[in-house]
Amino acid sequence: NAGVTQTPKFRVLKTGQSMTLLCAQDMNHEYMYWYRQDPGMGLRLIHYSVGEGTTAKGEVPDGYNVSRLKKQNFLLGLESAAPSQTSVYFCASRPGPPGGEQYFGPGTRLTVT
Amino acid sequence: AQSVAQPEDQVNVAEGNPLTVKCTYSVSGNPYLFWYVQYPNRGLQFLLKYITGDNLVKGSYGFEAEFNKSQTSFHLKKPSALVSDSALYFCAVRDGGSGAGSYQLTFGKGTKLSVIP
Repeated sequence: NAGVTQTPKFRVLKTGQSMTLLCAQDMNHEYMYWYRQDPGMGLRLIHYSVGEGTTAKGEVPDGYNVSRLKKQNFLLGLESAAPSQTSVYFCASRPGPPGGEQYFGPGTRLTVT
Repeated sequence: AQSVAQPEDQVNVAEGNPLTVKCTYSVSGNPYLFWYVQYPNRGLQFLLKYITGDNLVKGSYGFEAEFNKSQTSFHLKKPSALVSDSALYFCAVRDGGSGAGSYQLTFGKGTKLSVIP
């Protein structure tokens, strides 16, 4: 099993450009999450999904959109990138039972200039 | 709303000494508590969790954590630190009941552990 994979690993964008980050998991997990990690801030939840076709806002959703058309994939979109979105983005997934732990991808380092 | 506090940004410990990384939490329902470790330029790795039962939870790499309901704490411990334990440690909480909090894992800001040879 590959676990949770993220594409791309690194990206540099100019202000105003758009991009999509792809997260894929091969563990048949119900729940998927997108976080951003900034120094001294810990991990903050952007959006999450409790199943195929469903999405919900997390703590810091502004400027991001998500889609979960297939159970194994969770896409994070930036329509018009801003320097404040420079961060490391992590995807995670977990199985349905509430006591299950989350499995994290390796991260995407995004720089917006 | 649920929250996690890790009061120490950094913990330094000598190799071979016991280590403790502190965590306190706030949640409306029963807490599900987790510890994760992050090595440089890597994703988070699961260490251990408390869901129910024994207050002392054992996890990976010799780590353990003690759940204290009255103090709302879940401190991470290891009897003898290794240099390879140096990393960033995150405590996290999820509400064990129903509602939006049961879907979301809330993280602390992290504690950087440095084990000195």
